[in-house]
Amino acid sequence: QLQLQESGSGLVRPSQTLSLTCSVSGGSIESGGYSWSWIRQPPGKGLEWIGYIYSSGSSDYNPSLKSRVTISVDNSKNEFSLKLSSVTAADTAVYYCARGFLTSGFDFWGQGALVTVSS
Amino acid sequence: DIVLTQSPGTLSLSPGETATLSCRASQSLNSAYLAWYQQRPGQAPRLLLYSASIRAPGIPDRFRGSYSGTDFTLTISRLEPEDFAVFYCQHYGGSPLYSFGPGTTLEIK
Repeated sequence: QLQLQESGSGLVRPSQTLSLTCSVSGGSIESGGYSWSWIRQPPGKGLEWIGYIYSSGSSDYNPSLKSRVTISVDNSKNEFSLKLSSVTAADTAVYYCARGFLTSGFDFWGQGALVTVSS
Repeated sequence: DIVLTQSPGTLSLSPGETATLSCRASQSLNSAYLAWYQQRPGQAPRLLLYSASIRAPGIPDRFRGSYSGTDFTLTISRLEPEDFAVFYCQHYGGSPLYSFGPGTTLEIK
């Protein structure tokens, strides 16, 4: 069974860079033609797609965050990562990593990692 | 850009009843690119349906998806206590590439 696990700093200072990694187990990040996404959810609010990456390195981002987001992949470690720069309190959220496939939605999700932006 | 609107915002029902949740798109979209998720408190979303009406593995047949034009419906029959949660619809293919509706809360009456 595929499993995804987020890790990274839970507290980030305003104007700094948020960094998270998603470790994938139970399957290879390179197989099946899947995309690997980051999705966030501010406390008590809805879901926002941040961006995705393929094992090839091809990526796409939400235009609203594009100037501040970088998603990278490390196939040798079977993991992908998120960097979000110049964070503010509005970036406080639970960050999820998830596997996606075109028409099939996001079928596997990590448990989520709460990141708080505060001084 | 396609905007998804979900209604009602909150639905109060009792176990055993049938829930009908709506997701309306602001313009025509490919039904193949519409998915539904359930999110229980403190948990990650769980994929229920994709391509508007195809159940994800392990999802019971009490969950059914249908659509007509820009209106998509999630019907949950014979509600069980574990069904009460927040439900999101999600579209692929617009800008941003993936977008979610605001959600419908299904609560126990």
